[in-house]
Amino acid sequence: DTGVSQDPRHKITKRGQNVTFRCDPISEHNRLYWYRQTLGQGPEFLTYFQNEAQLEKSRLLSDRFSAERPKGSFSTLEIQRTEQGDSAMYLCASRPPGTASRAFFGQGTRLTVV
Amino acid sequence: AQTVTQSQPEMSVQEAETVTLSCTYDTSENNYYLFWYKQPPSRQMILVIRQEAYKQQNATENRFSVNFQKAAKSFSLKISDSQLGDTAMYFCAFMKSNNAGNMLTFGGGTRLMVKP
Repeated sequence: DTGVSQDPRHKITKRGQNVTFRCDPISEHNRLYWYRQTLGQGPEFLTYFQNEAQLEKSRLLSDRFSAERPKGSFSTLEIQRTEQGDSAMYLCASRPPGTASRAFFGQGTRLTVV
Repeated sequence: AQTVTQSQPEMSVQEAETVTLSCTYDTSENNYYLFWYKQPPSRQMILVIRQEAYKQQNATENRFSVNFQKAAKSFSLKISDSQLGDTAMYFCAFMKSNNAGNMLTFGGGTRLMVKP
C-alpha cells in the first residue's frame, strides 16, 4: 500500500492554457474525492466518485473543470482555459467502502497560473 | 449546509506543554462525525482523531484528545506534551453520516508552532 499519489506535484501554467492532474488512489478504495485548497484556507470539496461514477459535484466546479475516473481506478482532473483564480493546491483523497471509513489524502498538486 | 469555524488562525506552544485548538460547527444533522486532520508543511493531510456524534465519550489517541460538546456544537483538540513534530496546520472537519458521498467540510485551519 503506497498511499494516494498525485502527479504532478507542482504545475506552473500560463493563463488560458489547459492542465490535467492525475490521482492514483489506494487500491480497493472505491471512493475518490477531489478538493481544492487555496493558500491559508481549508480544503473545499469539488467532486466525488464511487467507482467510475461521478456522483456529486460542487458548485465550485465550473464548466471549465472536468473530472473522470475511467474503470474506477485512477482519476484525472482537467482545467480548461486556466485563470489566475484557479491557482491552488488540488488534493485527492480516497476511502474504502463503509460510512465510517477514514479518508486518505495525497500530497496534492500545487497549481500556479501566471 | 454545514459550516466549520476555527477561530484561532495561529497558535504557539512550548515543547512539552499542552495546547488546545478550538473548533465550532453548525449543522441541523443529528448523526455525523467530526475529525481533526494535521497537515505538516509540504506533506499530505493525515487523520489525527475522530469522534462519532452519537458517542458521549470523548475520543483520545495517545497525546491527542478532544472535548466534544454536542449541544454547544464545539469540538476542541487538546495536544499534551507537545513535540516539535506537532508543528503543522490543523483542520477541523465535519462529515454527515447519512450521506453516501461522505465528503468532508473543513474549517479554515489553525497553524500550530511548537517552540523548543
